[in-house]
Amino acid sequence: EAGVVQSPRYKIIEKKQPVAFWCNPISGHNTLYWYLQNLGQGPELLIRYENEEAVDDSQLPKDRFSAERLKGVDSTLKIQPAELGDSAVYLCASSHPSGGVGTDTQYFGPGTRLTVL
Amino acid sequence: GENVEQHPSTLSVQEGDSAVIKCTYSDSASNYFPWYKQELGKGPQLIIDIRSNVGEKKDQRIAVTLNKTAKHFSLHITETQPEDSAVYFCAATDSWGKLQFGAGTQVVVTP
Repeated sequence: EAGVVQSPRYKIIEKKQPVAFWCNPISGHNTLYWYLQNLGQGPELLIRYENEEAVDDSQLPKDRFSAERLKGVDSTLKIQPAELGDSAVYLCASSHPSGGVGTDTQYFGPGTRLTVL
Repeated sequence: GENVEQHPSTLSVQEGDSAVIKCTYSDSASNYFPWYKQELGKGPQLIIDIRSNVGEKKDQRIAVTLNKTAKHFSLHITETQPEDSAVYFCAATDSWGKLQFGAGTQVVVTP
């Protein structure tokens, strides 16, 4: 079974430029997550989708970040314009409902390492 | 909201010895506690998890214990091997079902 696929794996941009990350979840997984991971820290949730609906985007900085999952499968996370502080790893994860709220096993992709110069 | 604290931040062990990582959480409603292993340049990989109706779970050399009264849970790795070297994260779900991660433990297993 293929895992969560993310692209690109690395991205270097100058500040104020736009950038986009793509994620394809595990087949059949209805729930998709985007996380931000700063160096030396654990992942922090940015947004969670249930199919095509964003059910938790409270931690997404909406002035510059946006995300979409139009057909309920793959998803794109965008930053426009990027700032120096956005340098981090952006992780995508997916899960399949197991019956209990918040107990679904999340499977992570390899992440996209963003460097903003 | 949920706050997860993880200790130690770094752990160096001799090959064959045991490693123990401890985490505490604040939300008494938390009911799911996964542990992830992250190798350099890779995403976190689930190694074991435990739900609140279970006090202990074991999978080969890895075990997790949960004390809901004290709100802490621990990861135990026995007979450590060099390939166990990685960063380990504990996590707990908050009241909204959101996973909150600890800050991670860098484990180094020396031959």
